[in-house]
Amino acid sequence: EVQLLESGGGLVQPGGSLRLSCAASGFTYSTTFGMSWVRQAPGKGLEWVSVIVDRGGDTYYADSVKGRFTISRDNSKSTVYLQMNMLRADDTAVYYCVNWGHNGDYSYWGPGTLVTVSS
Amino acid sequence: DIVMTQTPLSSPVTLGQPASISCESSQSLVHNNGNTYLSWLQQRPGQPPRLLIYKISNRFSGVPDRFSGSGAGTHFTLKISRVEPEDVGIYYCMQATQFPHTFGQGTKVEVE
Repeated sequence: EVQLLESGGGLVQPGGSLRLSCAASGFTYSTTFGMSWVRQAPGKGLEWVSVIVDRGGDTYYADSVKGRFTISRDNSKSTVYLQMNMLRADDTAVYYCVNWGHNGDYSYWGPGTLVTVSS
Repeated sequence: DIVMTQTPLSSPVTLGQPASISCESSQSLVHNNGNTYLSWLQQRPGQPPRLLIYKISNRFSGVPDRFSGSGAGTHFTLKISRVEPEDVGIYYCMQATQFPHTFGQGTKVEVE
């Protein structure tokens, strides 16, 4: 069974940092095209944040987080990370880890981890 | 960026009756490789999103056949042939043809 489990969320002050982790099990990176982070602010829709491509490790970011967030992975631990720096109030959201399949599909989603940026 | 526009934003439905959601993209979603990476997701209250349809019309594993997708280019549709109680939630279209990947605003399906 494919499982993605995010961790690392919490309350942080504006300007602070957090690192989110996503542990994957039940599939290997070789069966995916990449791993993405998608966020959802309270009561709002879905916003794509970032992706790391399986082959080559290319990374892409939404303009809203470019220069502040960094996506990375540790294949030995089957874990993807999202380092978030210079956090702002509008970064408050549930952050989901999602696999990006070879059919362009976002097929498996983690339960999400809540990040709250507030003083 | 490709903008995804869904209509309607709210859809009151009667159980057992059909429902339809439209999604229009601001640019063609046909990739250089000929594939169209348009998906539909369902989000039930309090749950993460769940993939229903990928590449316009392919049902994901375990998705009931009352869900179907169609369309091409910039116009796409999700249809539910007979709405069941568990279909209540918010439905999103999304494109993964071009970065940044983008989502529609969401359509809330609720029972009348």
